[in-house]
Amino acid sequence: ETGVTQTPRHLVMGMTNKKSLKCEQHLGHNAMYWYKQSAKKPLELMFVYSLEERVENNSVPSRFSPECPNSSHLFLHLHTLQPEDSALYLCASSQDGTGVYEQYFGPGTRLTVT
Amino acid sequence: TQLLEQSPQFLSIQEGENLTVYCNSSSVFSSLQWYRQEPGEGPVLLVTVVTGGEVKKLKRLTFQFGDARKDSSLHITAAQPGDTGLYLCAGQTYNTDKLIFGTGTRLQVFP
Repeated sequence: ETGVTQTPRHLVMGMTNKKSLKCEQHLGHNAMYWYKQSAKKPLELMFVYSLEERVENNSVPSRFSPECPNSSHLFLHLHTLQPEDSALYLCASSQDGTGVYEQYFGPGTRLTVT
Repeated sequence: TQLLEQSPQFLSIQEGENLTVYCNSSSVFSSLQWYRQEPGEGPVLLVTVVTGGEVKKLKRLTFQFGDARKDSSLHITAAQPGDTGLYLCAGQTYNTDKLIFGTGTRLQVFP
């Protein structure tokens, strides 16, 4: 595997379900990100982990819970979601400390909440 | 709130035409990146510009960073159907090093 991978690619869940999104980066980077991409809205940064510590939580509802067990893996745990949470969830990684933070994205998980 | 406005929002052109996409802000950025996103995929980094006034070329794509580091443009010469996608600019802020993404330009190139 190369780059940034995400599983599953598609997920349909009910509002009472609990599910998790997984992201893995094979680039040796030290920072990972979760973004939400909805139609007609710019990319929204949700969470940032740098050196496995959460450094940013952009006022995201508690029904989204991130986990970063090591610098290569990032999870987004989902529970009691709302239909408006349906979107493309993108994971990205970068090498912080170099001055220019180029981000490398995974293919995303298309989430539909019914 | 820092915003990056892109124009146009949508662009539909014939193969062989030239086009320019603009990315504007009132904020100054330490660097600016351009990404292309195809349907069902994540954004892919095309280029990073760092110096005010910098011009970078990637085959038929020409990227320019404004002198004041507040704006950028992407020019495509002789567009091809393979250029179809969502083009995103992203500015790196000075104080937090965060990337602020633009509103996006959706390009469709017809054969």
